[in-house]
Amino acid sequence: DTGVSQNPRHKITKRGQNVTFRCDPISEHNRLYWYRQTLGQGPEFLTYFQNEAQLEKSRLLSDRFSAERPKGSFSTLEIQRTEQGDSAMYLCASSRTGGRYGYTFGSGTRLTVV
Amino acid sequence: QQPVQSPQAVILREGEDAVINCSSSKALYSVHWYRQKHGEAPIFLMILLKGGEQKGHDKISASFNEKKQQSSLYLTASQLSYSGTYFCGTEGGGGSNYKLTFGKGTLLTVNP
Repeated sequence: DTGVSQNPRHKITKRGQNVTFRCDPISEHNRLYWYRQTLGQGPEFLTYFQNEAQLEKSRLLSDRFSAERPKGSFSTLEIQRTEQGDSAMYLCASSRTGGRYGYTFGSGTRLTVV
Repeated sequence: QQPVQSPQAVILREGEDAVINCSSSKALYSVHWYRQKHGEAPIFLMILLKGGEQKGHDKISASFNEKKQQSSLYLTASQLSYSGTYFCGTEGGGGSNYKLTFGKGTLLTVNP
């Protein structure tokens, strides 16, 4: 169990640029979640996958956000035409299926849009 | 809808007890509790399922009252390592959702 791995750890980008983050979940975990967290707030749900199927996407998410999980393994989260309001910590988590299990979170990618 | 946590912050001396509450306006299927230290990922503590159960390990336990749509986290004989922000995450609906909605967190500080 190597944990959930996220890359990069930090990303600074100029407004209007596109960014892509990667998440490698625990290999036995079929569910993968993306959350966003800003200072002083709890994690806010963005989207989740079961295997390669994206089962739900937050209505708060604009069309500039897209996520994929090809072959049900790693996942990528892309933000197009970044805005200053996108600055946040982006957390990935994974969990087992077949019941109710806790999430294992990655260390996150901190995005700063300047 | 986001669950409401109380208190927002609590300061303890080592060895004291604390209770953190989590309330929802919607019916709940499960409640998760996590602890997050500054600059680190949230760490899973425990999950409580519909059925009004109570769980615990070591000196941390929790209860879930599905009728009141509330959960409480109990920390007894607190240790310095308990410091951090505690989040509850709730799963609503009939249990086919699997995604969690997190509260704003409770900042717990344990001083020597």
